[in-house]
Amino acid sequence: SAVISQKPSRDICQRGTSLTIQCQVDSQVTMMFWYRQQPGQSLTLIATANQGSEATYESGFVIDKFPISRPNLTFSTLTVSNMSPEDSSIYLCSVEGVAGGIQYFGPGTRLTVT
Amino acid sequence: KNQVEQSPQSLIILEGKNCTLQCNYTVSPFSNLRWYKQDTGRGPVSLTIMTFSENTKSNGRYTATLDADTKQSSLHITASQLSDSASYICVVSLSPNTGFQKLVFGTGTRLLVSP
Repeated sequence: SAVISQKPSRDICQRGTSLTIQCQVDSQVTMMFWYRQQPGQSLTLIATANQGSEATYESGFVIDKFPISRPNLTFSTLTVSNMSPEDSSIYLCSVEGVAGGIQYFGPGTRLTVT
Repeated sequence: KNQVEQSPQSLIILEGKNCTLQCNYTVSPFSNLRWYKQDTGRGPVSLTIMTFSENTKSNGRYTATLDADTKQSSLHITASQLSDSASYICVVSLSPNTGFQKLVFGTGTRLLVSP
């Protein structure tokens, strides 16, 4: 299994500012995933982050709004840029234990934009 | 369109009782089906994972079933405990053609176990 931590656990931010969320895994993983979970909704994949290459974004998500870094095999960051109240969500980091196997999720970062 | 639908949306049961949660999916090509438990304020935790050839899989008091012909799954919780209060999410995995499995998430069933 993989143990994932995220920082911050929650934050309240003002409109127009940016927030960087950190994700740390206790083992080396090839792929890391960033999800968004809006209130009362299911999880939506934002992007997949491979170490040493640019992140791959899902339809509806762009790099300018959600830049991602993946400097090594245990760490990634997601930035939510120029925030608006519609960005209020839980943001979750995830990794795949083995290819095609269980995905492990971090505890999430609860973001509120006022 | 790949979709996962769950029912009921929410459920309240008395402690000690059993319950069954339902999941219907229209996902192709299908790889596997997972059930996750998500406590409030936490990330989802895997309960079971089943491929199309598996009909049932248990994890303690949790038993998942899969009918790949009708594209239905259920999660049965036996002798419920207060700690079972959580959201239960059905997740279907698409067969990978990009090096990793793309997941389709249901909106979850919110279970409340009452003393």
